Formats: sequence, C-alpha cells, structure tokens
Amino acid sequence: DVKVTQSSRYLVKRTGEKVFLECVQDMDHENMFWYRQDPGLGLRLIYFSYDVKMKEKGDIPEGYSVSREKKERFSLILESASTNQTSMYLCASSLGDSSNYGYTFGSGTRLTVV
Amino acid sequence: SQKIEQNSEALNIQEGKTATLTCNYTNYSPAYLQWYRQDPGRGPVFLLLIRENEKEKRKERLKVTFDTTLKQSLFHITASQPADSATYLCALVHNNAGNMLTFGGGTRLMVKP
Repeated sequence: DVKVTQSSRYLVKRTGEKVFLECVQDMDHENMFWYRQDPGLGLRLIYFSYDVKMKEKGDIPEGYSVSREKKERFSLILESASTNQTSMYLCASSLGDSSNYGYTFGSGTRLTVV
Repeated sequence: SQKIEQNSEALNIQEGKTATLTCNYTNYSPAYLQWYRQDPGRGPVFLLLIRENEKEKRKERLKVTFDTTLKQSLFHITASQPADSATYLCALVHNNAGNMLTFGGGTRLMVKP
C-alpha cells in the first residue's frame, strides 16, 4: 500500500514563526498536494506539485509556500505563522491524472498557532 | 461560481438499511467524480471513481451513480453497518485542470445498531 507520511500529528507554534510541514510518500507518485481542512469550509487546496521543483497554486496559496526538491517529499512552509492558519493540514499524493487515480492522503497535521 | 454541495446535516440510519448520500454540483462539466471516506482526525480514503459514461459503479456494498444531466452523484451503502459511520466526501476536477480535485464539504453518516 502507498503510504503518505506527515512528520507531525500535532504542532503548536507562535505567531510570526516560520513553520515547516513535511510530507513523504513512498510509491514514486508524480503528484503531491497540500490541503487545509476547516469546519464548515471543507478541504481547500493550497498548492499542488506535478514534478520535482514544479508547483501550482491552489485556491488559497496566500501566506504559504512549498518546496519539492525530491520526488518523494513535498514541504509546506508558513513564512510567518498567523492565528488564522490554525487548521488541519493534509498532504496527498497520486500516481497520475485524477481521471484514473484517486488520492492517497496522510493522517494530517493539526497546527495550532498561538 | 463553481459549487459542490453535499448535505451538511448528518444522516442517521439503522443498521442493515441502505444509506444514500447526495453530491450536487453547479458550473462544472466533470468527466469523472470521486468519492472518499474520512474518519475523525484522519485523512480521507479514496473509495471509488466514476466516469461520465459509466452511469453506475459498484464495489462490494458500495454503489455510485453519476447523472450529468441532473448534475448529481448518488452514493449508496447497502446493508449498512456501524463501521460505515464516517464522513463521505465527493470530489470533482478543479477548474478543468486534470490533476487537482475540489472537494465537497462532506456528509456525516451515522449507522446505529
């Protein structure tokens, strides 16, 4: 089975800190995604990467950046954390086009910014 | 604007009955649609993908229909069990870009013994 591993289940950070959320997948998937999930707002796409060093903005990229230096690793960076970035962050990967393949999600990182 | 609507109210059913969840969409012309299951505190798990020319797809006790005229997908769980209790999400391709999915808000299903 494909595994998507997110480095932390829970994180507490202070306002203004630089925060790194790490995601690693072990099945050579091309595509990787970062979503955040909030009550009443559902899952919202932050960034997507379809190859090493390639990225595309999703619906809510403001305040975030990403890095994909290796195929298996996709990092989400909060340059200066703010309280409105308190959320559940979910990483996902897929083998190819979503017309043929579903996403595999990690277990999520619950980030609290205080 | 594009919208994916799932009933935000929880669906409560008795064990053994068929659960039917609805996904309606507007301003999309999807060639396919996906369904996921999410348990509390966990990431979603992919269940099924249905294409516009398939109309219906089955996997064990799960059945999905896709009506592009009504702009609706129905997700059925037959002979439901308490272990089926979870939130179920539908997802469509994001702005016709092939690899990014937009998710509905999900419907919580509660199956009572």
